[in-house]
Amino acid sequence: GAVVSQHPSRVICKSGTSVKIECRSLDFQATTMFWYRQFPKQSLMLMATSNEGSKATYEQGVEKDKFLINHASLTLSTLTVTSAHPEDSSFYICSATEQGWSAFFGQGTRLTVV
Amino acid sequence: GESVGLHLPTLSVQEGDNSIINCAYSNSASDYFIWYKQESGKGPQFIIDIRSNMDKRQGQRVTVLLNKTVKHLSLQIAATQPGDSAVYFCAEIKTDSWGKLQFGAGTQVVVTP
Repeated sequence: GAVVSQHPSRVICKSGTSVKIECRSLDFQATTMFWYRQFPKQSLMLMATSNEGSKATYEQGVEKDKFLINHASLTLSTLTVTSAHPEDSSFYICSATEQGWSAFFGQGTRLTVV
Repeated sequence: GESVGLHLPTLSVQEGDNSIINCAYSNSASDYFIWYKQESGKGPQFIIDIRSNMDKRQGQRVTVLLNKTVKHLSLQIAATQPGDSAVYFCAEIKTDSWGKLQFGAGTQVVVTP
């Protein structure tokens, strides 16, 4: 299957700082990437849809100024958590789709804000 | 509407037995369904998929059944192994949503020796 690489896998940051998470499709061009957030023992919650060369579409309740998404190329999308606070601590996962069907996921990023 | 779980139900299975994981999906317009396996601290891993024009699809040790009448999806794992211990999610897609997945609540599968 297609490979999606997410980096970093773990990050600890101080409250008030910003953190950038990268999502790369390694062997295909991803016109669309998705960003999810997952709390312990819960399902994945879609945060936003990222389309190459255009603004991301955010789900209801997700602050776009808080979670900045950039999809500058067909193989890279980034999620920046700005002015992070402890409540932003979570598992963030990206996925990428090539033709709108099967979505392949990155390894996830465990963010801990202290 | 979306089906989002707050707490994961747990299925305890003895090694070697068959597992059946169920999922109720929410959107009757969904036409593609995927089962994912998620191990602790990792991203979801694709297991098997099925399109809405099918009612059964088999893979290696796994079978997915789709009942559109009652909007029900199931994943059967034959001869469950310790490595099958994980959380399993079903996901649904509508054709025009360009890969936007709606996830089910998930089921924690625990394989006991």
